[in-house]
Amino acid sequence: SAVISQKPSRDICQRGTSLTIQCQVDSQVTMMFWYRQQPGQSLTLIATANQGSEATYESGFVIDKFPISRPNLTFSTLTVSNMSPEDSSIYLCSTAQRNTEAFFGQGTRLTVV
Amino acid sequence: SQQGEEDPQALSIQEGENATMNCSYKTSINNLQWYRQNSGRGLVHLILIRSNEREKHSGRLRVTLDTSKKSSSLLITASRAADTASYFCATERGGADGLTFGKGTHLIIQP
Repeated sequence: SAVISQKPSRDICQRGTSLTIQCQVDSQVTMMFWYRQQPGQSLTLIATANQGSEATYESGFVIDKFPISRPNLTFSTLTVSNMSPEDSSIYLCSTAQRNTEAFFGQGTRLTVV
Repeated sequence: SQQGEEDPQALSIQEGENATMNCSYKTSINNLQWYRQNSGRGLVHLILIRSNEREKHSGRLRVTLDTSKKSSSLLITASRAADTASYFCATERGGADGLTFGKGTHLIIQP
């Protein structure tokens, strides 16, 4: 199992600014994932972050908008850049090994005004 | 990633009744998982069923998987008020990382 500490838990940001979300895992993990959950919607995978390589982004998500760092096997950050109200969502980090359950942080509720 | 469909989108039942939620998906999968989310917070894993399994039980939960129809169902028996939450199915695709989530079912248990 893995316990993920995610922060901040919530934030209200001005449009045009950037926010960096941090996730710390209590054990070394190979794969970390970032998801977005828009209001009233389900989760959508933004990108996969493996240590030592560039993050792999899903269709519709680009590195300039959502830069990701993965400096070691227990930590990752997601930055939401040049924010607009449409970026208001819950952002969640996760880790999993193939064919096993995934573990999630508690999420970051972002409101852009 | 394309999301699967879940139905119903919302379900309200009396405490003690059984709740059934369905999920359909579109691609071949390694496994299908069910998660619960309370009030838009982090997800809690409920059960994982692999593509070569047809049924799985965990406490009051029963999950079925029909890979020929690309569908799954989650049954919660003897529901409790604390079961009120959103429930999501999620699939792990073969050869790909990360999960593809269904649209979710919002379950309300009336006391």
